[in-house]
Amino acid sequence: QVQLVESGGGVVQPGRSLRLSCAASRFTFSSYGMHWVRQAPGKGLEWVAGIWYDGSNKYYADSVKGRFTISRDNSKSMLYLQMNSLRAEDTAVYYCAKEHRITGSQPFDYWGQGSLVTVSS
Amino acid sequence: DIQMTQSPSSLSASVGDRVTITCRASQGINNFLAWFQQKPGKAPKFLIYEASRLQSGVPSNFSGSGYGTDFTLTISSLQPEDFATYYCQQYKTFPFTFGPGTKVDMK
Repeated sequence: QVQLVESGGGVVQPGRSLRLSCAASRFTFSSYGMHWVRQAPGKGLEWVAGIWYDGSNKYYADSVKGRFTISRDNSKSMLYLQMNSLRAEDTAVYYCAKEHRITGSQPFDYWGQGSLVTVSS
Repeated sequence: DIQMTQSPSSLSASVGDRVTITCRASQGINNFLAWFQQKPGKAPKFLIYEASRLQSGVPSNFSGSGYGTDFTLTISSLQPEDFATYYCQQYKTFPFTFGPGTKVDMK
């Protein structure tokens, strides 16, 4: 069974940085696009960023463009989200998610358990 | 960006009821539409892709339909474990966008 485990969340002051990690296992990580999705407390799901299987293309929501960077290390089966210039409105549970298939535009079939990021002074 | 809307935002139903949730895209997305179920404190669960294809392991009382801009998720006979919030998502164009969710609770 596919496993995705996020880490790196916590409490951070506005304007500071944080890096989330997602450890992937039990599937061929280097073949799949990966994404980050967040959910603010009591709110709906918001797609944050996505990256192609080989890291050659990256996509961002307007709300995080220029502040967040998605990356991956296929040799370690790891996905990352570097979050800079954090704001209170970035407070959310952050999920990493795997694409359903290896070709074409795909939805997300497996999700991690989530990592809570709280931006507060 | 493609905006997704869902109706109703919430509904109350009983075990055994037939439940229908509607999702609408602000522009045509062909069948690049997925449905997710989320329970409190848990990650979303993948139910349906390509608007009508059931993910492996998802009970057959779930079904999806639609094409273009209008889609539906139907639960033919609501089970106790189906009380949850349901989200649609378009994945035709970045940024991928989710609907605001429909909460299904017990009448």
